[in-house]
Amino acid sequence: DGGITQSPKYLFRKEGQNVTLSCEQNLNHDAMYWYRQDPGQGLRLIYYSQIVNDFQKGDIAEGYSVSREKKESFPLTVTSAQKNPTAFYLCASMGGRGTGELFFGEGSRLTVL
Amino acid sequence: GIQVEQSPPDLILQEGANSTLRCNFSDSVNNLQWFHQNPWGQLINLFYIPSGTKQNGRLSATTVATERYSLLYISSSQTTDSGVYFCAELDTGRRALTFGSGTRLQVQP
Repeated sequence: DGGITQSPKYLFRKEGQNVTLSCEQNLNHDAMYWYRQDPGQGLRLIYYSQIVNDFQKGDIAEGYSVSREKKESFPLTVTSAQKNPTAFYLCASMGGRGTGELFFGEGSRLTVL
Repeated sequence: GIQVEQSPPDLILQEGANSTLRCNFSDSVNNLQWFHQNPWGQLINLFYIPSGTKQNGRLSATTVATERYSLLYISSSQTTDSGVYFCAELDTGRRALTFGSGTRLQVQP
């Protein structure tokens, strides 16, 4: 079945370490997105990409980096520069270059010890 | 960018009751979507509804694009309806969805 796969589901990290969250989709969607959710809060946009080899900063990009080398993949790296990285991270994709329906992966829960 | 306001922020219902959730938008409505986040955090698509009315079982949604709002109706609520309901609309400047802060629904048996 088509869908979005995020891994790992749970991740623990020590302060000062970088960590990369994986996001793969087989929906043939052009656009992919990363959102962050803190407990009891809504979703905030970190980075987005409308096409391969191109991506844009969202509202809270500081301390994060991404790449889009393949249409199917949009990994997110949480760097040591992110001051408060403990959060729930959601990857999503959309067809039609931002004009279609948005679909989400199951999320990755990152805890910094 | 577009602003999305959801109301009410919290809602407690007895099983079997009906409810209405609302989203207001600061800009034109083009790509409005409703989601349900379950207790495990997964976001489930409920409706893609830029305009008009749609129904899916006990849930229905209406979007009045000219007045920049959307309503989600839940009838005969069940405990499995509990969770957080989000609406989202497209920020046309960057073609990414902006989310409201959500309505946290608790359905009690």
